[in-house]
Amino acid sequence: KQEVTQIPAALSVPEGENLVLNCSFTDSAIYNLQWFRQDPGKGLTSLLLIQSSQREQTSGRLNASLDKSSGRSTLYIAASQPGDSATYLCAVFGAGTALIFGKGTTLSVSS
Amino acid sequence: NAGVTQTPKFQVLKTGQSMTLQCAQDMNHNSMYWYRQDPGMGLRLIYYSASEGTTDKGEVPNGYNVSRLNKREFSLRLESAAPSQTSVYFCASRPTGTGSYEQYFGPGTRLTVT
Repeated sequence: KQEVTQIPAALSVPEGENLVLNCSFTDSAIYNLQWFRQDPGKGLTSLLLIQSSQREQTSGRLNASLDKSSGRSTLYIAASQPGDSATYLCAVFGAGTALIFGKGTTLSVSS
Repeated sequence: NAGVTQTPKFQVLKTGQSMTLQCAQDMNHNSMYWYRQDPGMGLRLIYYSASEGTTDKGEVPNGYNVSRLNKREFSLRLESAAPSQTSVYFCASRPTGTGSYEQYFGPGTRLTVT
């Protein structure tokens, strides 16, 4: 059974810092991996989708990498801003029929 | 495009009452999903529908029923609500296939059962 783990559960950084969020999954037979952002009391916003054949995807200050063989993905946020404060969720789509989610990393960026 | 829409946004029920959560998408997606999100548990799949006319159980289906009314709409029904069903419910959709298809989520329904 696929399990997705996100470390750390919470992270606090000062504005301007570069940071890395980690995601690991137990079954490497995945089709893609998706990173989401969730603001308090809100829905999920898709940030990046990495196909299993890709190593990384970039969008603005965000860069997501995927190492399928080791079952790991990282989300790199450059020059963090207070507006980046949110919960970041990692999810994998594999042999099952739906995304399997990690429990998220709650990020707080202070000004 | 409105994307994925859900109604209602908030609901309070008494134990034993029934209700239906509505979900619709206008992206012509074949697959639709219902998840629940609880503190410390992450998002868990309740039911999904791979195409119009088909539905299957997910990880936590007990106490729920679903209907895929047509390609656009996928509803979730609580027949006899219990306090354990207090949660935030998200509907999602995606195109069929295993490739580079993003999954899109609705804004959620916040349900409290007293």
